[in-house]
Amino acid sequence: EAGVTQFPSHSVIEKGQTVTLRCDPISGHDNLYWYRRVMGKEIKFLLHFVKESKQDESGMPNNRFLAERTGGTYSTLKVQPAELEDSGVYFCASRHTSGSYNEQFFGPGTRLTVL
Amino acid sequence: GNSVTQMEGPVTLSEEAFLTINCTYTATGYPSLFWYVQYPGEGLQLLLKATKADDKGSNKGFEATYRKETTSFHLEKGSVQVSDSAVYFCALSPRGSYIPTFGRGTSLIVHP
Repeated sequence: EAGVTQFPSHSVIEKGQTVTLRCDPISGHDNLYWYRRVMGKEIKFLLHFVKESKQDESGMPNNRFLAERTGGTYSTLKVQPAELEDSGVYFCASRHTSGSYNEQFFGPGTRLTVL
Repeated sequence: GNSVTQMEGPVTLSEEAFLTINCTYTATGYPSLFWYVQYPGEGLQLLLKATKADDKGSNKGFEATYRKETTSFHLEKGSVQVSDSAVYFCALSPRGSYIPTFGRGTSLIVHP
């Protein structure tokens, strides 16, 4: 079974441009999470989808970030316009909903560099 | 609020050396504690976890014990291999939450 995949693996853009990151969760996982790691710092939670609904978006830094999960399958995270401080690695994770504790499975991340 | 502090890296060891990566946490209540590992080019993987005080999580030769009195969850391995080279993240989740609070990560480099 395929794991969580993310595209692209790397993106280099200039300040003011727009970038869209994509995450494909493990098939059947209703829960999808986005995280970000700024260079050398903690991995920070951004938001959580349950199917196509935003369950928790308390970690989204500002309104330049827009996440969608149309149809409850893959998700996109768009940054528009990008700023220098948006550089970092963006991780996606998915989790199946079941009764007991269940693990989040992470993708390899997208490294975003804003120049 | 919740926070996790782990030792800065990189940690550089020779193969078969003993490994300790320190992790301490601040949290209310009784969180679950985790170690995640990220191998080069891959996503984070859950390495081990502990859900209550004095629990020991173990996997692939790695161990960590949930110490509530010292609010610590140090990662140890008796004999590291080159293939253990990766970034290790300590994390906690409050009860009822699936969203971890992570530390900054510690890079481990193991030389032959």
